[in-house]
Amino acid sequence: AQKVTQAQTEISVVEKEDVTLDCVYETRDTTYYLFWYKQPPSGELVFLIRRNSFDEQNEISGRYSWNFQKSTSSFNFTITASQVVDSAVYFCALSEPTSGNTPLVFGKGTRLSVIA
Amino acid sequence: EAQVTQNPRYLITVTGKKLTVTCSQNMNHEYMSWYRQDPGLGLRQIYYSMNVEVTDKGDVPEGYKVSRKEKRNFPLILESPSPNQTSLYFCASSLSKAREKYFGPGTRLTVT
Repeated sequence: AQKVTQAQTEISVVEKEDVTLDCVYETRDTTYYLFWYKQPPSGELVFLIRRNSFDEQNEISGRYSWNFQKSTSSFNFTITASQVVDSAVYFCALSEPTSGNTPLVFGKGTRLSVIA
Repeated sequence: EAQVTQNPRYLITVTGKKLTVTCSQNMNHEYMSWYRQDPGLGLRQIYYSMNVEVTDKGDVPEGYKVSRKEKRNFPLILESPSPNQTSLYFCASSLSKAREKYFGPGTRLTVT
C-alpha cells in the first residue's frame, strides 16, 4: 500500500537559515509520482514540484531544491536562506497512476515557522 | 488566469439541509477530484472524475455525491449534511491522472 511519512511535525528556524523537510514514501509500483505542496496560513494548497520515479535528478528552483533518492525512498525538500514568507505547512504526496484511480496520498505535513 | 474556483468559500449550515459546493476550472483539465482536510487525518479523496459523465468513489465517499455534466464543473453535493462532515474541502483538477493537481482555494464547511 502507498504511504507517505513526514516525520517532522513542526520545525522552527530563524530567518536566513537553511532547512530541510524530510519525506519518506512506500510504494510497490515501479512507476509513481512524487509531489510537494505548500499550504500557507491563508489555507490554499500550492503546487511546488512533481517528480516521476524514473527521474532521480535533483532539482533547484530559486531557493528551493529537492533531493530524490530511490535507494532510500526519500524525496526531501530544502529551503535555502529561509524567509518569513516560507512559513507554511508543507505536504509531500505520492500517486501511482498505473491504477485506475490516482489519488494523491499525502503525508501529514510539516509545519515550518520562520522567525524574523 | 488559469485557476480552480470554489464557492462558497465559507458555509455554516444545519444538519440535514442539502447543500452544493461548486467547483470550476478553466484549464480544460480532464481529471477532477474532491478532497477533505481534517486535523489529524490529513487530506483524503472523496470522489474523482476522469472525464465528463465518468465519476467514481475515492477513499471517503459516504454522505457525498458528485456529477460531471460539463468538463469544467464538478460540484460536490451533500444531500443530508451531518456534523462529521464539518471540514475543509478542496477541489482539484489536472490535465491527466498522472499530472500535478491544482487545487481550488478551499471551502470551510461547518455543520451544526
